[in-house]
Amino acid sequence: QKEVEQNSGPLSVPEGAIASLNCTYSDRGSQSFFWYRQYSGKSPELIMFIYSNGDKEDGRFTAQLNKASQYVSLLIRDSQPSDSATYLCAVTPMEYGNKLVFGAGTILRVKS
Amino acid sequence: DTGVSQNPRHKITKRGQNVTFRCDPISEHNRLYWYRQTLGQGPEFLTYFQNEAQLEKSRLLSDRFSAERPKGSFSTLEIQRTEQGDSAMYLCASSLGLRQSAHEQYFGPGTRLTVT
Repeated sequence: QKEVEQNSGPLSVPEGAIASLNCTYSDRGSQSFFWYRQYSGKSPELIMFIYSNGDKEDGRFTAQLNKASQYVSLLIRDSQPSDSATYLCAVTPMEYGNKLVFGAGTILRVKS
Repeated sequence: DTGVSQNPRHKITKRGQNVTFRCDPISEHNRLYWYRQTLGQGPEFLTYFQNEAQLEKSRLLSDRFSAERPKGSFSTLEIQRTEQGDSAMYLCASSLGLRQSAHEQYFGPGTRLTVT
């Protein structure tokens, strides 16, 4: 079982729709959760982080965390073609652990 | 530019040669990380420094790989006797070591290594 699992996609949504990206993790001790956006040929860019159960909103992005279900998601409202990228979910596998463990990413395509 | 910088951006080398990459973190960040990413995969952790101390190394990091951060500022990653399987994007990240924000890692542009 992979430590962090994501659907590889591609997930296709029309412009203006809500894109929902999901991630599950295996280590119940995980404390910190991150979403990175990666454009083709570029490095990952940190877009959201969440540490507590519930929702965290930042602009068009909402991160949702459910530690009991070991599930974290990213919602992108009013999706734009510029949101087309690979979205990587990452977790720290233990309290104040020193590395990020990444999923393989979900490809998002926003069609205009 | 106050972000993480990496040099070179691209490196093509022949199998068996040694290569060295450099990473300059965000200036106030005391934590520095190296990751490797291959096509279709997420980044994989290689090693981590807090200031000049190398505190963690992945089992992925064979004896051919060595990393240093001599004065707690920039870091170098050296690969000796390169193999074709070393072809990947090598990513450096840094973070500010303050409680939870210690894990908010910001990546540099990466060094793409091709071993022929």
